[in-house]
Amino acid sequence: EVQLLESGGGLVQPGGSLRLSCAASEFTFSNYAMSWVRQAPGKGLEWVSAIGGSGDGTYYADSVKGRFTISRDNSKNTLYVQMSSLRAEDTAVYYCAKLGRTSWYFDLWGRGTLVTVSS
Amino acid sequence: EIVMTQSPATLSVSPGERATLSCRASQSAGTNLAWYKQKPGQAPRLLIYGASTRATGIPARFSGSGSGTEFTLTISSLQSEDFAVYYCQQYNYWPPLTFGGGTKVEVK
Repeated sequence: EVQLLESGGGLVQPGGSLRLSCAASEFTFSNYAMSWVRQAPGKGLEWVSAIGGSGDGTYYADSVKGRFTISRDNSKNTLYVQMSSLRAEDTAVYYCAKLGRTSWYFDLWGRGTLVTVSS
Repeated sequence: EIVMTQSPATLSVSPGERATLSCRASQSAGTNLAWYKQKPGQAPRLLIYGASTRATGIPARFSGSGSGTEFTLTISSLQSEDFAVYYCQQYNYWPPLTFGGGTKVEVK
């Protein structure tokens, strides 16, 4: 089954760091750009970051630029985001999402992992 | 940044009735517009891309239209599983990729 499975969420103190992972299965991972999208409790969707299929080209929302780093390991079919200097407003469910082959809409989503930033 | 605005915020519809959801872009998004459905506690699911192309497995009762700055998602006859929150997203000019604030379709 084609799927994405996130892991690594949890409770972290303000100013702390966390790394999320997303394991992809049943599609040619390296052929597709990938992305992270988050959703704060009770709120809408917010795009966070994206990376090209070969790792060339990384893109960030202004709200996380300089604090988050997206990366991928195509040999492990895994997407990552390293989050540092975390703030309360980073509290959200973080979804991993696959981008379309030639256009940047999200055609496959993981179930999400919750990140809570609180003291 | 292209700002996406969805209306109404909440739409109350009876099962079997038609629902029409709107999405407006602050500048042209061409036809680079997608729609997603999200049920409580679940991840979003792609419904429409390219403003009007249904994604794999999406029933024909869902249709998308529009171009430029005005877009519409129509659900021709609401089924119980269609009561959810719907989001539009533009991918014409990025970064950032931007979503609308969502329309909640609830039972009237």
